Amino acid sequence: GQNIDQPTEMTATEGAIVQINCTYQTSGFNGLFWYQQHAGEAPTFLSYNVLDGLEEKGRFSSFLSRSKGYSYLLLKELQMKDSASYLCAVREAGRRALTFGSGTRLQVQP
Amino acid sequence: DAGITQSPRHKVTETGTPVTLRCHQTENHRYMYWYRQDPGHGLRLIHYSYGVKDTDKGEVSDGYSVSRSKTEDFLLTLESATSSQTSVYFCAITGEAGKSNEQFFGPGTRLTVL
Repeated sequence: GQNIDQPTEMTATEGAIVQINCTYQTSGFNGLFWYQQHAGEAPTFLSYNVLDGLEEKGRFSSFLSRSKGYSYLLLKELQMKDSASYLCAVREAGRRALTFGSGTRLQVQP
Repeated sequence: DAGITQSPRHKVTETGTPVTLRCHQTENHRYMYWYRQDPGHGLRLIHYSYGVKDTDKGEVSDGYSVSRSKTEDFLLTLESATSSQTSVYFCAITGEAGKSNEQFFGPGTRLTVL
């Protein structure tokens, strides 16, 4: 089985940087995903990490440490439209389905 | 868009009635999933399919059944709906391993069981 933990809520200021952490425990790891979900909408894919290190994609970066069971999503130059829930998900070895954390609701304030 | 539609988008039904939700994809992807999303629980896997007529249970499968008679359609059935099944249901698809890692989600179905 898997256990995925992430903070429930975070608040940040427009233009700032925010880091959303995710820790996980799994019997066999085969990738970590981050999704963004605006209220009332479907989740949309942000990033995928399977090897240790940082993946950068525009204002968003995602980091993975497999030995520590730890990932973070870094959002730079925050915009009001970044207010959303951010979902951390893990894929186990041999499976295609994902196990999701409960999500972190980010509120960006002016 | 990943070519996934769900129907209906909203439904209100009464306890004890059967309900079927439909997921349709135009991507010819092999893997399809049904999740439910509830406050405080995130997305939880109900059932998934790895091909036509090939399905398996997820972590919250009790009270649900699925069928996949065609690649493009994955049906979720609540045989006798209960109030605890009030939720938002998302369908998702994934391509073959090594070709696609991303899981694409449909727009969701909001189901209310009175």
